[in-house]
Amino acid sequence: EIVMTQSPATLSVSPGERATLSCRASQSVNSNLAWYQQKLGQAPRLLMYGVSTRATGIPARFSGSGSGTEFTLTISSLQSEDFAVYYCQHYNDWPQTFGQGTKVEIK
Amino acid sequence: QVQLQESGPGLVKPSETLSLTCTVSGYYISSGYFWGWIRQTPGKGLEWIASIYPSGTAYYHPSLKSRVTIAVDTSKNQFSLKVSSVTAADTALYYCARDLRFGLDPWGQGTLVTVSS
Repeated sequence: EIVMTQSPATLSVSPGERATLSCRASQSVNSNLAWYQQKLGQAPRLLMYGVSTRATGIPARFSGSGSGTEFTLTISSLQSEDFAVYYCQHYNDWPQTFGQGTKVEIK
Repeated sequence: QVQLQESGPGLVKPSETLSLTCTVSGYYISSGYFWGWIRQTPGKGLEWIASIYPSGTAYYHPSLKSRVTIAVDTSKNQFSLKVSSVTAADTALYYCARDLRFGLDPWGQGTLVTVSS
């Protein structure tokens, strides 16, 4: 089983600032990496897949990069609706696994 | 617009079997894609449980495989999950989702299942 490790656990950012979230895989997942956003009381929502392809309706301020074992989700200018928990997930093989999440909170 | 809705008992006794159903609207399950179950707890976070293709091909999380069964009913446009011999550790928010194999989208709203006597 591939272990996904996210850092930091909590990120305090002011609105309008950039947020950079990291995700590390215990072994290569190639480019089979997705990101999700979860707001309080809601189900996770797919943000990004294939490392850097935005899902339908996801604004361009969200971008992804990386390959192999190191990945980054960047939110270029945080909006109020972006404060949430973000999860990375690999789907390189079974079982697909998730990171433990990074909470982006208002500074 | 594809929508998924979980249903099933919110309370299950220890050692019994947890049974959930996911009803899909806006898309025919038989058209393709995998369909999956994921659970979430404060302690373990998001945990993928199983996914199934309309043909019946299924994949399970190794740690749960001995207790979990996923099934699909294309005539009802539903898929289901059974977890046997449940313990308190199976208490979780259970989600169903379409498994695109490049991400899970969309998700149902989730259903809380508590294991308690």
